[in-house]
Amino acid sequence: AQSVAQPEDQVNVAEGNPLTVKCTYSVSGNPYLFWYVQYPNRGLQFLLKYITGDNLVKGSYGFEAEFNKSQTSFHLKKPSALVSDSALYFCAVRDTGGGNKLTFGTGTQLKVEL
Amino acid sequence: KAGVTQTPRYLIKTRGQQVTLSCSPISGHRSVSWYQQTPGQGLQFLFEYFSETQRNKGNFPGRFSGRQFSNSRSEMNVSTLELGDSALYLCASRQTSASARDTQYFGPGTRLTVL
Repeated sequence: AQSVAQPEDQVNVAEGNPLTVKCTYSVSGNPYLFWYVQYPNRGLQFLLKYITGDNLVKGSYGFEAEFNKSQTSFHLKKPSALVSDSALYFCAVRDTGGGNKLTFGTGTQLKVEL
Repeated sequence: KAGVTQTPRYLIKTRGQQVTLSCSPISGHRSVSWYQQTPGQGLQFLFEYFSETQRNKGNFPGRFSGRQFSNSRSEMNVSTLELGDSALYLCASRQTSASARDTQYFGPGTRLTVL
């Protein structure tokens, strides 16, 4: 069965500094990977996905993610963090068994401070 | 294009009751999935519907059920509510069921509190 791990419960970064939110995955076959963000009392907002192709994926709000097959990682990055980026971030992997089930990581709380 | 809508947004029930939650997918999307989000268990897949048929089911008891209508709108039902059913229930839609490239877009969720 597929799984994802987000090793950090919380990441703190100063506004203007680069941020990285880590994600590693375990799947059999080709991984389909996603990042979502959740603001308080809201649903999940799609940020970006990796299906195939370039290892650097660009998404919404200036976010990007780097797919690394040898390290089975899909870290989320942003060159310059904003206070408004403070939210809960989830990495997810799509079921490779033919269904559309997403398996989510436990989430990483990002806090961007002035 | 309007996003995924879920009704109601908040719901309070007591143990033993049953509840029905509703989800309207993005126009043109035919696949609807449901997820439960709790602080302890995180985000867990409940089931997926496509063309009025359940395509996939997560590891939840039979008290959790769902259906999809011909207009792709979906409902989920939880019978004999337990305290542990308190959660945010999220609905997600995608255009098709088969393409790996399709993205799931989530609604704002229904916050269910069981007293």
